Amino acid sequence: EAQVTQNPRYLITVTGKKLTVTCSQNMNHEYMSWYRQDPGLGLRQIYYSMNVEVTDKGDVPEGYKVSRKEKRNFPLILESPSPNQTSLYFCASSPSGQFYEQYFGPGTRLTVT
Amino acid sequence: QKEVEQDPGPLSVPEGAIVSLNCTYSNSAFQYFMWYRQYSRKGPELLMYTYSSGNKEDGRFTAQVDKSSKYISLFIRDSQPSDSATYLCAMLGINAGGTSYGKLTFGQGTILTVHP
Repeated sequence: EAQVTQNPRYLITVTGKKLTVTCSQNMNHEYMSWYRQDPGLGLRQIYYSMNVEVTDKGDVPEGYKVSRKEKRNFPLILESPSPNQTSLYFCASSPSGQFYEQYFGPGTRLTVT
Repeated sequence: QKEVEQDPGPLSVPEGAIVSLNCTYSNSAFQYFMWYRQYSRKGPELLMYTYSSGNKEDGRFTAQVDKSSKYISLFIRDSQPSDSATYLCAMLGINAGGTSYGKLTFGQGTILTVHP
């Protein structure tokens, strides 16, 4: 089944404790992206990657890191999480040149206390 | 001012009603206009997309783009309880060379409930 998977689905952590949210897709898509979704603010793009080793900032990159060493994986790293990073996170992928058609993962709900 | 504005609702309609969802935008570089649907506790999924101006129809759904007014709409005819979801407009810009930066901008989402 073609899909985007994210792990973990739920995470509660404390301020300052480094964490990684993994994202993997099995559709051989070149493009991958991370979003956060907050009430009243909609989906905001954190980082995106047009291909392996090519990443760029979205609208809200502060406090996040990404890497794209393999085509299928695009982990999101929070080096020192803070409470304002409590949010619902989505990973997405799309074929090159069809960025309008994003395939989203199921989401990761992160709470930072 | 946000690049994309969408009335968050919530919007509640009876089954069979015509629903109109709208977004306005300010960035003239936007060329692709999308509507995503998001069910509760799920990731968004693409419903329709339009390139540049005009209308596009798919079953009960019609997407309209008016670039002169920087305004897009999604119409749902004969709405069903299964249409109850959050609807997100999204936009994608292209550069002078005709390629996309890959940076999507979403509206805040409109929560729609269709009651039987």
